[in-house]
Amino acid sequence: DSGVTQTPKHLITATGQRVTLRCSPRSGDLSVYWYQQSLDQGLQFLIQYYNGEERAKGNILERFSAQQFPDLHSELNLSSLELGDSALYFCASSQTTGEQFFGPGTRLTVL
Amino acid sequence: LAKTTQPISMDSYEGQEVNITCSHNNIATNDYITWYQQFPSQGPRFIIQGYKTKVTNEVASLFIPADRKSSTLSLPRVSLSDTAVYYCLVGRFMDTGRRALTFGSGTRLQVQP
Repeated sequence: DSGVTQTPKHLITATGQRVTLRCSPRSGDLSVYWYQQSLDQGLQFLIQYYNGEERAKGNILERFSAQQFPDLHSELNLSSLELGDSALYFCASSQTTGEQFFGPGTRLTVL
Repeated sequence: LAKTTQPISMDSYEGQEVNITCSHNNIATNDYITWYQQFPSQGPRFIIQGYKTKVTNEVASLFIPADRKSSTLSLPRVSLSDTAVYYCLVGRFMDTGRRALTFGSGTRLQVQP
C-alpha cells in the first residue's frame, strides 16, 4: 500500500459525458501528479500540482483539467469523453524531487 | 527534456542477473534518473534513483557512466515475481520550481522458471 488513494476504482460512462477522478496523496506530500495509461501503453504524464499550484504540464488534452485543493487532494476532470479516453488513470504523490508513490489507479471505460 | 529509449522486452530465467539499459542522450546537468516497476493493473512502484556513478539498494543496482547518456538497472538473481514492466524515468528539477518528467516506453521483463 503506497498511501495514495484514488476513487473510484472503476468508472464506466458514455461518450460525451464528464467525469471526475479523485486522488488523496500520502500524508505530508505536497506534489500530486496525474498519468494516463492506455491499454498496453506506457505512462503518459498529464499534469503536476504542488501545494495547490500547477507546476508542470505534459500531454494533457484541453478537454481535461485538474486542480489541487487546500487539503492537498486533487481532482482530474475529463469532459466530452471519447472512446479513446478509456484508460487507467494514475495519481502519484511525492514530497520533493525523486520518488513518486503511485495510487492503485482508476480504470475509465468510455462506451 | 531527455527522451529515453529502452528495449521493448527481455527474457530471463530464475536466478539470473538481468540488466536493462536506458538511453537518454540529451540528459542535462540537473536531470536525475529513476526506475519504476509495474505489474499489470497496478500503479508503478519505485525501485531506485541516481544521478551519477553507482547506486545500490536492497533490490537493485543502478549504474550510470560518466557521460550519463545511459543508465543500467541491474536486478540480481531474478525470480518469477520480477516479471513486470520496468520504466526508466528522467526527471528535472528546474530553477523555477517546476519539475518536468519523461517516462520511457518501458521494458517488459519475462522471467521463466
